[in-house]
Amino acid sequence: QKEVEQDPGPLSVPEGAIVSLNCTYSNSAFQYFMWYRQYSRKGPELLMYTYSSGNKEDGRFTAQVDKSSKYISLFIRDSQPSDSATYLCATRRTTGFQKLVFGTGTRLLVSP
Amino acid sequence: DTEVTQTPKHLVMGMTNKKSLKCEQHMGHRAMYWYKQKAKKPPELMFVYSYEKLSINESVPSRFSPECPNSSLLNLHLHALQPEDSALYLCASSSKVPGVQGNEKLFFGSGTQLSVL
Repeated sequence: QKEVEQDPGPLSVPEGAIVSLNCTYSNSAFQYFMWYRQYSRKGPELLMYTYSSGNKEDGRFTAQVDKSSKYISLFIRDSQPSDSATYLCATRRTTGFQKLVFGTGTRLLVSP
Repeated sequence: DTEVTQTPKHLVMGMTNKKSLKCEQHMGHRAMYWYKQKAKKPPELMFVYSYEKLSINESVPSRFSPECPNSSLLNLHLHALQPEDSALYLCASSSKVPGVQGNEKLFFGSGTQLSVL
């Protein structure tokens, strides 16, 4: 079983839709959770960064962590064609050097 | 300046060639990383430099040789690569040193798309 599971998609939505992207993880020691956006042939860009459970909002983006079910989500409101990209969830433990564990990424396509 | 700059953007090399990838950041970050990313896969960690010293080598073959000349620069020297080494090579930096100063947020460059023929 992979430590972080993410549906590869593609997820196709019309412009203006609310998008929900999700990951599950298996290790309860994971405490930090991140979402990266990656456009084709570009490096990942850090979108959201959360610690432990709860919600965090930044503009049209909301990150949600539910540690009881080991489930992390990214919601995008009023999606735009420019949101079309691959979204990678990532997580790590708190202690010592622990490399980021990435999901496989979900490809999102927002059509005009 | 919040950028991590990587050069070249594209590189094609033969299996007998020697080439170098370069990475530069001017954010004052003290940790720098090399990642490798194959198509439709997540990035895989290769090396970590903390305070200009190699702190993590993820069992990377010796045909990849990292170098950190100073706190702003990171190189990856390539020699005798194989076609399966073709990938997007990403450099990243973080203000916090991993494992020492608590959690770190990574800032990635745009990568070098490497093709080995």
